[in-house]
Amino acid sequence: AIWMTQSPSLLSASTGDRVTISCRMSQGISSYLAWYQQKPGKAPELLIYAASTLQSGVPSRFSGSGSGTDFTLTISCLQSEDFATYYCQQYYSFPYTFGQGTKLEIK
Amino acid sequence: EVQLVESGGVVVQPGGSLRLSCAASGFTFDDYTMHWVRQAPGKGLEWVSLISWDGGSTYYADSVKGRFTISRDNSKNSLYLQMNSLRTEDTALYYCAKDGPPGVTQGYFQHWGQGTLVTVSS
Repeated sequence: AIWMTQSPSLLSASTGDRVTISCRMSQGISSYLAWYQQKPGKAPELLIYAASTLQSGVPSRFSGSGSGTDFTLTISCLQSEDFATYYCQQYYSFPYTFGQGTKLEIK
Repeated sequence: EVQLVESGGVVVQPGGSLRLSCAASGFTFDDYTMHWVRQAPGKGLEWVSLISWDGGSTYYADSVKGRFTISRDNSKNSLYLQMNSLRTEDTALYYCAKDGPPGVTQGYFQHWGQGTLVTVSS
């Protein structure tokens, strides 16, 4: 299985900040990476797939980059509704795996 | 609008069986690969299984292989997960999820249901 290290596990920030979340793979996965946002009591929502393609309807302040083993999710100007938990997921090979999650909280 | 509605989650004893269902609407169900993903209380996400658009291909996480069976009925726009030999570590919220593009398996989850809770406890 491909192991994923997502960091940080907890991120404190303020509205208007620019933040980045990292996801590192145990082996190369080309660009087969997705990012999800999950709010408490809700199902996850797809933000980005293919490492950098924005899902329809997702605000442009979200962006993804990377390929191979190192990937980044960036939120350029935090809004109040962005405080949530974020997960990366690889779909390069079975079993599909998720990162441990990053909880983004208000500073 | 895509809608995925899971059902069937209950409290079951270890060693027991359960079948989850997912009713799909708002898209052409038989064009899409479908998945089950679970989340233990307070924990992260774990992919469980997938089934191709025609039911011809299925894959499972090692943690459920040999115990769980995914299936679909395209005439009823429904996805299922038969869960046997349940363990306490199977306790989780089980989500039904739709794959990305039609006609091919990508492996990311474009739409999710709200989940159904399975509790395995004596």
